[in-house]
Amino acid sequence: GQQLNQSPQSMFIQEGEDVSMNCTSSSIFNTWLWYKQDPGEGPVLLIALYKAGELTSNGRLTAQFGITRKDSFLNISASIPSDVGIYFCAAGANSKLTFGKGITLSVRP
Amino acid sequence: DTEVTQTPKHLVMGMTNKKSLKCEQHMGHRAMYWYKQKAKKPPELMFVYSYEKLSINESVPSRFSPECPNSSLLNLHLHALQPEDSALYLCASSQAFGTLIQETQYFGPGTRLLVL
Repeated sequence: GQQLNQSPQSMFIQEGEDVSMNCTSSSIFNTWLWYKQDPGEGPVLLIALYKAGELTSNGRLTAQFGITRKDSFLNISASIPSDVGIYFCAAGANSKLTFGKGITLSVRP
Repeated sequence: DTEVTQTPKHLVMGMTNKKSLKCEQHMGHRAMYWYKQKAKKPPELMFVYSYEKLSINESVPSRFSPECPNSSLLNLHLHALQPEDSALYLCASSQAFGTLIQETQYFGPGTRLLVL
């Protein structure tokens, strides 16, 4: 089946630092999405990407849909304590989403 | 308004109980989803409804019974669950245009289910 590779499982950064996460696959997708999930809550959509090569920003977040349609990255700039959480990439094809395993981000003050 | 609501927030049930989870969205979306999520794992798709009709069932046991009474509501009826069914149950919705379902999904806050 389709799989998304998202690693490492955890990242630890200092407040104010930038952080980059990527997500790769051997399959081609039509849509790339990035979600953030806080404990006990549902995933919140951060950025949606629909075209190969597309670069989109949402405040301190920037994400890109890879040219090959097989990968995406998310950058968070000037991290703050409320950035902590689990970041999932998800990619869409045939009306379904495939999720990465998620990265737990910790921000040290 | 990109809100999907779910009730209840928490649910504890015995293995012989019957309960229902409810989901509502007012975004005009015509595709709705149920997911199951275990701790620190990604969501796992259970069911997809498109225009109030079940379009995908990911081989979910029959003790989970979905229902879509109208375009805004989605229910998940639970009966004779097992302790391993304890999880966060997430509802999501997305736009659909005829047979084309957009893959950008908006999630609700989830129902935390504990089966004793």
